[in-house]
Amino acid sequence: TQLLEQSPQFLSIQEGENLTVYCNSSSVFSSLQWYRQEPGEGPVLLVTVVTGGEVKKLKRLTFQFGDARKDSSLHITAAQPGDTGLYLCAGLNLNDMRFGAGTRLTVKP
Amino acid sequence: KAGVTQTPRYLIKTRGQQVTLSCSPISGHRSVSWYQQTPGQGLQFLFEYFSETQRNKGNFPGRFSGRQFSNSRSEMNVSTLELGDSALYLCASNPSGPGLNEQFFGPGTRLTVL
Repeated sequence: TQLLEQSPQFLSIQEGENLTVYCNSSSVFSSLQWYRQEPGEGPVLLVTVVTGGEVKKLKRLTFQFGDARKDSSLHITAAQPGDTGLYLCAGLNLNDMRFGAGTRLTVKP
Repeated sequence: KAGVTQTPRYLIKTRGQQVTLSCSPISGHRSVSWYQQTPGQGLQFLFEYFSETQRNKGNFPGRFSGRQFSNSRSEMNVSTLELGDSALYLCASNPSGPGLNEQFFGPGTRLTVL
């Protein structure tokens, strides 16, 4: 059982659609990170959220950290084929880092 | 600046053998962490090194070990390989280390154990 549950596991959408992926846990984290990983590459850090209720925007991506610091969501507006990849969330506490299994997103042109 | 580099990129070994993977962090980064990524378990933290000292260790057996050199380059060793060790092994470096808060990942070494 993963400490961080990500949903959905797989998502296939058309270019231009909006989507939301979720990262849920029963544990509290001091901060939470989102990464995107493309085939043959390592994960690339997209954002770190630290404060409960925090919302961060990165162009068409909006990240939210739950009030209780146990969950997070990533919303993508007007998805593009370049958004295709594996989206991973990671919860951090001091020197402990746990990753979710990821959401594999495919955006079709 | 060059990114994190890992060598080799691909490796095939047989059960019982041992393997050493290498990681060169981004210039100036002194913290290096190692992760194992498999389809079943996802990304799991192995260990972190800072200034040649192991700072943190994940929940892996003693067959998995590592070290860091004075130039911050790191190596990871797996002895007595098992089929389940087949995975993508990722290395990450941190500019403000020690810690796991800001990591830059390399492309990984894909290890296949036959």
